[in-house]
Amino acid sequence: EAGVAQSPRYKIIEKRQSVAFWCNPISGHATLYWYQQILGQGPKLLIQFQNNGVVDDSQLPKDRFSAERLKGVDSTLKIQPAKLEDSAVYLCASSLGGPGFYEQYFGPGTRLTVT
Amino acid sequence: GESVGLHLPTLSVQEGDNSIINCAYSNSASDYFIWYKQESGKGPQFIIDIRSNMDKRQGQRVTVLLNKTVKHLSLQIAATQPGDSAVYFCAENRNTGGFKTIFGAGTRLFVKA
Repeated sequence: EAGVAQSPRYKIIEKRQSVAFWCNPISGHATLYWYQQILGQGPKLLIQFQNNGVVDDSQLPKDRFSAERLKGVDSTLKIQPAKLEDSAVYLCASSLGGPGFYEQYFGPGTRLTVT
Repeated sequence: GESVGLHLPTLSVQEGDNSIINCAYSNSASDYFIWYKQESGKGPQFIIDIRSNMDKRQGQRVTVLLNKTVKHLSLQIAATQPGDSAVYFCAENRNTGGFKTIFGAGTRLFVKA
């Protein structure tokens, strides 16, 4: 079974630029998550989709971050404009159903450096 | 904050010894807990989970203990191997109008050969 795919693996941008990350979840997984992991910390949930609807985006900085999940499959996370404090690893995960009952499978992450 | 930890706690053990990694959770309403292992450059990987109606659950070489009275979770790794070296996170699933996973700060495990 193929895992969660993410691209790019690494990205370096200057502050105020924009960037987009892509995620392809495991086939058949209804729930997709984007997490931000700052160095030395645990992942923090940014947004959670159930199929193509948003379940939770309470910790997404909506003035600069946006995410969409097209046709309930792939997802993109965008940052515009980026700030220095956005430097982190952005992790995508997917699960068959909601997190209370189903194991989440994580991709390798995209390491973003904002200079 | 919900995921805090500017400095990762570190545990160093000798190969073959048992490891115990501890975690305190914050919300008594959380009813599902998971331990993840994260190796350098990789995403977190599920190790074992436990529901709040259980005190103990065993897997292959791993055991999770849950003490709801003091809101404490522990992961025991038997006969620790060099491949167990990683950062370990506990996570709680909290119902905030829909289930949401909250990660702890993590513990870095070093296994000395």
